[in-house]
Amino acid sequence: GEDVEQSLFLSVREGDSSVINCTYTDSSSTYLYWYKQEPGAGLQLLTYIFSNMDMKQDQRLTVLLNKKDKHLSLRIADTQTGDSAIYFCALDRGSTLGRLYFGRGTQLTVWP
Amino acid sequence: EAGVTQFPSHSVIEKGQTVTLRCDPISGHDNLYWYRRVMGKEIKFLLHFVKESKQDESGMPNNRFLAERTGGTYSTLKVQPAELEDSGVYFCASSQDRDSSYNEQFFGPGTRLTVL
Repeated sequence: GEDVEQSLFLSVREGDSSVINCTYTDSSSTYLYWYKQEPGAGLQLLTYIFSNMDMKQDQRLTVLLNKKDKHLSLRIADTQTGDSAIYFCALDRGSTLGRLYFGRGTQLTVWP
Repeated sequence: EAGVTQFPSHSVIEKGQTVTLRCDPISGHDNLYWYRRVMGKEIKFLLHFVKESKQDESGMPNNRFLAERTGGTYSTLKVQPAELEDSGVYFCASSQDRDSSYNEQFFGPGTRLTVL
């Protein structure tokens, strides 16, 4: 099985909230990241959370971390059509300055 | 400040040919990473340079892949000979050296490689 799992697709209506989920098997990560990839562009760091935190809020973005269930989520409030993109969950698995472990990405489609 | 750049943006080659991908990291970033995403799958790590040294090359799929970073600036990833399963998007990322484990990796736009 995969180490980092995400559902592949999510569709929401403009103005609604979106919740993108990520589950993982290895609990050693220090930081957990959310990256966004817009069409034709590279990955852009959207937000991150330190492993000793349960929640982090940054404007329309809320990250929740449930270490017991090894579950990470990204909530986007008031989703806009410009939020349509692929969202990747990434973990460091305790590796300082090393590789990141990514999920398959969730394609978010926002309908007007 | 310029971001991470990659060249070419697209490459279409035939099986058995050779292709060289180039990555220019953000100036001053000692860490340089190569990743690959095969269609619909996760982004997988290939290798990590610190300056010109290979810190971790555990993700390199086989000896048809050769990565270099002479002088610790730009990096090249050569695939020789290319096989069909090498098709995918190759991402390069770079990050600064820092004392904390927070490691924001800045990604380039990727090179889409198609092997026919």
